[in-house]
Amino acid sequence: SQTIHQWPATLVQPVGSPLSLECTVEGTSNPNLYWYRQAAGRGLQLLFYSVGIGQISSEVPQNLSASRPQDRQFILSSKKLLLSDSGFYLCAWSVGLNTGELFFGEGSRLTVL
Amino acid sequence: GENVEQHPSTLSVQEGDSAVIKCTYSDSASNYFPWYKQELGKRPQLIIDIRSNVGEKKDQRIAVTLNKTAKHFSLHITETQPEDSAVYFCAASTGFQKLVFGTGTRLLVSP
Repeated sequence: SQTIHQWPATLVQPVGSPLSLECTVEGTSNPNLYWYRQAAGRGLQLLFYSVGIGQISSEVPQNLSASRPQDRQFILSSKKLLLSDSGFYLCAWSVGLNTGELFFGEGSRLTVL
Repeated sequence: GENVEQHPSTLSVQEGDSAVIKCTYSDSASNYFPWYKQELGKRPQLIIDIRSNVGEKKDQRIAVTLNKTAKHFSLHITETQPEDSAVYFCAASTGFQKLVFGTGTRLLVSP
């Protein structure tokens, strides 16, 4: 069966520090991968998605970046965190273009102080 | 781009009552409308979805209706139970998995 893991689960970082959140998927090949941010009262905001290795599409301009160094690995990064980067980050995957279902990871709660 | 509005933001019902959550979308090209449930401290999970060639879909106590002309869709939960308490998100997509989510509805079901 397919599983998705992301880490760390909780992170407290000072303003201006770097960030790296990692997500891996097991049990499937060539998944579509996504990073979402969930902020209170703002729903789920798509940040990045990827349809293959090295292929990243950005939905929202910001100081975050994403990379996909391997088929089932998706990394969210920042060189210098801002206070506004605080939130709950969710990695997700999907199989095909038509099924539509997203399978979310457990989430990573980031607090920037 | 697509914009999805969801209301109410909070909904409180008594156990056994029905609950209705409504969403509107802006892009007439949207053709896929899922609903996700997120229990406290857990990840969102798909509970039901509907595509634009269908007007209504049911799954036990849950149903979703779609009105393409008015560009709105709704989630209906009948005979609510305390375990239905969660945050519910609607979403709309125009095709390639570009789901745009609503801001969520916190449903509280009191015993």
